Amino acid sequence: NAGVTQTPKFRILKIGQSMTLQCAQDMNHNYMYWYRQDPGMGLKLIYYSVGAGITDKGEVPNGYNVSRSTTEDFPLRLELAAPSQTSVYFCASSYSRSPQGGNQPQHFGDGTRLSIL
Amino acid sequence: KQEVTQIPAALSVPEGENLVLNCSFTDSAIYNLQWFRQDPGKGLTSLLLIQSSQREQTSGRLNASLDKSSGRSTLYIAASQPGDSATYLCAVLTSGSRLTFGEGTQLTVNP
Repeated sequence: NAGVTQTPKFRILKIGQSMTLQCAQDMNHNYMYWYRQDPGMGLKLIYYSVGAGITDKGEVPNGYNVSRSTTEDFPLRLELAAPSQTSVYFCASSYSRSPQGGNQPQHFGDGTRLSIL
Repeated sequence: KQEVTQIPAALSVPEGENLVLNCSFTDSAIYNLQWFRQDPGKGLTSLLLIQSSQREQTSGRLNASLDKSSGRSTLYIAASQPGDSATYLCAVLTSGSRLTFGEGTQLTVNP
């Protein structure tokens, strides 16, 4: 069981370039998330999705775009890379939250380390 | 806006010691609280999840408590081992399926 798989693991971009960070999960989770983690900091939510075709902004969405065409995949796109987007990006997935508030834990990938120079 | 604070930022203890990590949050309207472990260069591993209606959860040498009304949680690690060395993150789930994370406690257990 692969869990959450992120590619690439490392990438260096030049300012203004674009790229897509890939995320795939094989647990049939309907919720998927993208976070960024800056050095010495906690994670901040960029975008999330509650199912195929449905996405919503998190705390820090500016400069990013997402799509969710399948349950398994949730790519994150940077259109015009900026130095402020240098970070470690984590994708996560979970089962849906019940109306009563019960929830399953989020499962994380190993991250993509992105440097923009 | 929900804010999560973890104290201490770093902790170094000798092997075998019992220890407590602290987490506080500003808005008590949470669905659950999770404790994660993060090893260097790795993703997060969920350790314990406490639903808002629960007071504590236990897994092996780990025990997490939740006092929602006071906005506090603790992670207790018994008989610490060098393999416990990692960064421990606390996160709360609020409306909109959003996890808000603390900045973590970096734990070093010395042999």
